[in-house]
Amino acid sequence: DTAVSQTPKYLVTQMGNDKSIKCEQNLGHDTMYWYKQDSKKFLKIMFSYNNKELIINETVPNRFSPKSPDKAHLNLHINSLELGDSAVYFCASSVREGGPYEQYFGPGTRLTVT
Amino acid sequence: GENVEQHPSTLSVQEGDSAVIKCTYSDSASNYFPWYKQELGKGPQLIIDIRSNVGEKKDQRIAVTLNKTAKHFSLHITETQPEDSAVYFCAPSEETSGSRLTFGEGTQLTVNP
Repeated sequence: DTAVSQTPKYLVTQMGNDKSIKCEQNLGHDTMYWYKQDSKKFLKIMFSYNNKELIINETVPNRFSPKSPDKAHLNLHINSLELGDSAVYFCASSVREGGPYEQYFGPGTRLTVT
Repeated sequence: GENVEQHPSTLSVQEGDSAVIKCTYSDSASNYFPWYKQELGKGPQLIIDIRSNVGEKKDQRIAVTLNKTAKHFSLHITETQPEDSAVYFCAPSEETSGSRLTFGEGTQLTVNP
């Protein structure tokens, strides 16, 4: 029973392409997140959605666009990929906004831009 | 915003020894202090947390101690085992900041058998 799942696990693509990463949680949580982890393991929040509504939008290029079709899904679409976008992207969820509450992370998507 | 520093950045111990990782933060309003463990190829997982009304919390071989005056908290792992090898992150936060966690830079712990 996977709590937070992401697809694909690996994504290799060329500069300039557009790609999407999908995330689903079956925990019944209200809040979902996207994090970026760079090659030095630094983990930084990108976006947070609460019940399909955007609540955190860090200084992320507008080439990154999250979409939440329902509270169990949060997808990340990236336009015009650049070399610097290469990283591991983690989706996470928590029971609700506020708290703070424990965040449950997915297994990550390793994006490599060549 | 919160400035978070972890020390050391890497730690190598022999199996059975203890390991201590320290997290220093800047925001005196912080009142929630979690530690996450990230195993190779996986996402981070909460292993222990403490709130500011408590000075210490223990869960089997792991413990967290908090010094609010000095603005630091530490993760203690006793009787280390090879499966404790991972990257550990602290993420101090303040309750009114809601779900926003500011992660430290991580500490790579290696337990040598």
